[in-house]
Amino acid sequence: DSGVTQTPKHLITATGQRVTLRCSPRSGDLSVYWYQQSLDQGLQFLIQYYNGEERAKGNILERFSAQQFPDLHSELNLSSLELGDSALYFCASSARLVLNEQFFGPGTRLTVL
Amino acid sequence: DAKTTQPTSMDCAEGRAANLPCNHSTISGNEYVYWYRQIHSQGPQYIIHGLKNNETNEMASLIITEDRKSSTLILPHATLRDTAVYYCIVRAPNYGGATNKLIFGTGTLLAVQP
Repeated sequence: DSGVTQTPKHLITATGQRVTLRCSPRSGDLSVYWYQQSLDQGLQFLIQYYNGEERAKGNILERFSAQQFPDLHSELNLSSLELGDSALYFCASSARLVLNEQFFGPGTRLTVL
Repeated sequence: DAKTTQPTSMDCAEGRAANLPCNHSTISGNEYVYWYRQIHSQGPQYIIHGLKNNETNEMASLIITEDRKSSTLILPHATLRDTAVYYCIVRAPNYGGATNKLIFGTGTLLAVQP
C-alpha cells in the first residue's frame, strides 16, 4: 500500500460525458502528479501540482483539467469524452521536490463506450 | 534527460537472482538512475535510485558502472510476485523549481518462472 488513494476504481461512461477522478496523496506529500496509461501510448505524464499550484504540464488535452485543493487532494476532470480516452489514470505523490521518488495510487480504470 | 535502453523481456527462475540491465550512455553528471516496476495494471512502484555508488535496500540492489553509462538492477531471490515490467529512468534533481515528472519508456517485462 503506497498511501495514495484514488477513487473510483472503475468508471464506465459514454462518449461526450464528463467525469471527475479523485486522488488523495500520502500524508504530508505536497506534490501530486497525474499519469495516463493506455494500451498504445504507455505511461504518459499529464500534469503536476505542488501545494495547490500547477507546476508542469505534459501531453494533457485541453478537454482535461486538474486542480489541487487546500487539503492537498487533487481532482482530474475529463470532459467531452472520446473512445480514445479509455485508459488507466494514475495519481502519484511525492514529498521531496528535489529527487524523484514518487508513490503511485492503484489507479482509476476509465472505460468510454 | 538521458535516454535509456532496456531489453524488451527477460525470464528468470524462481529463487534465482534477476539481473536487469539498463543502458544510459548519454547520462549527465548530475542525473540519477531510478528504477520503478509495474505489476500488471497496478500503479508503478518505486524500487531504488542511485547516482554513482552502488545502492541496496530491502527490495533490490543497484549496480552502476564506473563510467555511469549503464546499470543493473538485481533482485537477489526472485519470486513469482516479482513478475512485472521494470522501468529504468534517468532524471536530474529538481533544483530551481523544475518539474520532476517521470518519463517512462517501454521497460523490461520480467517473467519469473516456477
